[in-house]
Formats: sequence, C-alpha cells, structure tokens
Amino acid sequence: EVQLVESGGGLVKPGGSLRLSCAGSGFSFSRFSMNWVRQAPGKGLEWVSSISGTSIFIYYADSVKGRFTVSRDNADNSLYLQMNSLRAEDTAVYYCARDPADSSQYNWLDTWGQGTRVTVSS
Amino acid sequence: SYVLTQPSSVSVAPGQTARIPCGGDNIGIKSVHWYQQKPGQAPVLVVYDDSDRPSGIPERFSGANSDNTATLTISRVEAGDEADYYCQVYDSGSDHRVFGGGTRLTVL
Repeated sequence: EVQLVESGGGLVKPGGSLRLSCAGSGFSFSRFSMNWVRQAPGKGLEWVSSISGTSIFIYYADSVKGRFTVSRDNADNSLYLQMNSLRAEDTAVYYCARDPADSSQYNWLDTWGQGTRVTVSS
Repeated sequence: SYVLTQPSSVSVAPGQTARIPCGGDNIGIKSVHWYQQKPGQAPVLVVYDDSDRPSGIPERFSGANSDNTATLTISRVEAGDEADYYCQVYDSGSDHRVFGGGTRLTVL
C-alpha cells in the first residue's frame, strides 16, 4: 500500500524554526516528484514546494521562498521541509503529497499524507 | 501568477447533479485536476487531466474543460459527497501548482 506519513509539527514562536518530515512507503520513492501543501485553519489548500526525484528541480511558493527549504533522502524514502523565520501566517496543517511520476507533465497529486499541524504563536 | 476562481458554495438535492466550476484565463489549454476533502481528512484526487478518474472513484464524478472554465460534475449526488472540492493546475510559466479557493458542496 502506498503511504505517506508526516511528522515534526508542533508549536513554535514567531521567528523560530521547525523541520517537517514525510516518510514514504509502498512505492519506489526516488521515481516520484514530491510536494508540500498546506492548509491554514478554515482556509483552502496552498501549494508550498515541489522537489523532483533527484532533487534537480526545486520550486517554492512566493510566500515561503527564502525561508523554507525542501529536501529529500531517497535512501531513506524521506521528504523534508525546513522552515525558518516562521510567521503567524505559516500556521497550518502541512501535507506531503506525491506526483504520479517524476515529470512536470504529470502534475497532479495522487497520494497525500494525513498532515502535520504547525502552530506559530507566542 | 495564475489565478483559479471557484464559487464558495454549491448546494444540490440528493439524486440531482452538482456542477462545480473553476474559472481561469484560458484554462482550456491547461490540464485541470480536482480534489475532494471531507472535514478532518486529507484531500483525495477525484479527477485528473480534465476528465480522467483514478481507480476507485465512482463514474458519477466527471470533468470537462473548455475556454475559461473547467467543471467538475457529480451525478446522482449522495449525502457522502458533501465535502470541499478544489481545482488545481500547473502554471508552466512559474513551475508552480495552483489551487482554486475551494467550493463547499452541500447536499440538501
């Protein structure tokens, strides 16, 4: 069974840092591009970042560029999101989600984790 | 950046057909994908590439895309279809994925 499991969320003060992790299982992790998508309380979905299978292509939403860093460890089937200089508006549930392939031609998200909650508050 | 516009809510009686629009500039030349999200749950892909369905998604879910509007159609609506629905495209100019604001489907 294809599965994604996020971890690392929690309460952090404004200006602080947090590292999210996403463990993939049931598929050949390195052959798929991966994404982070977030959802603020009561709001819609917001794409945050994408990373290709070999980490050659990395993209960020303007709202997080320069503060967040996405990375992956294919040997460990893991995806990461390092979040620095956190702001109140970064408060959200963060989902990792898989592309169906490692190509921008296939740009939908076919598998999602259950999400991890990040709260930025003093 | 590319913008997708969805109505905040759509209501339909059980057994009827729900149509959820997603507007965007010349969206007809893009591939549109749709997600269903029930309260407290992660989103689920219900339509990809305008009109294809992942395995396990009922045939009642269909999609179309033309000109400036893509539409998710849910036929013979059931109480269990009540959820938030999001459209999504890939903006090749920025290499960003873009979501619409979401539409809450209420089954009366």
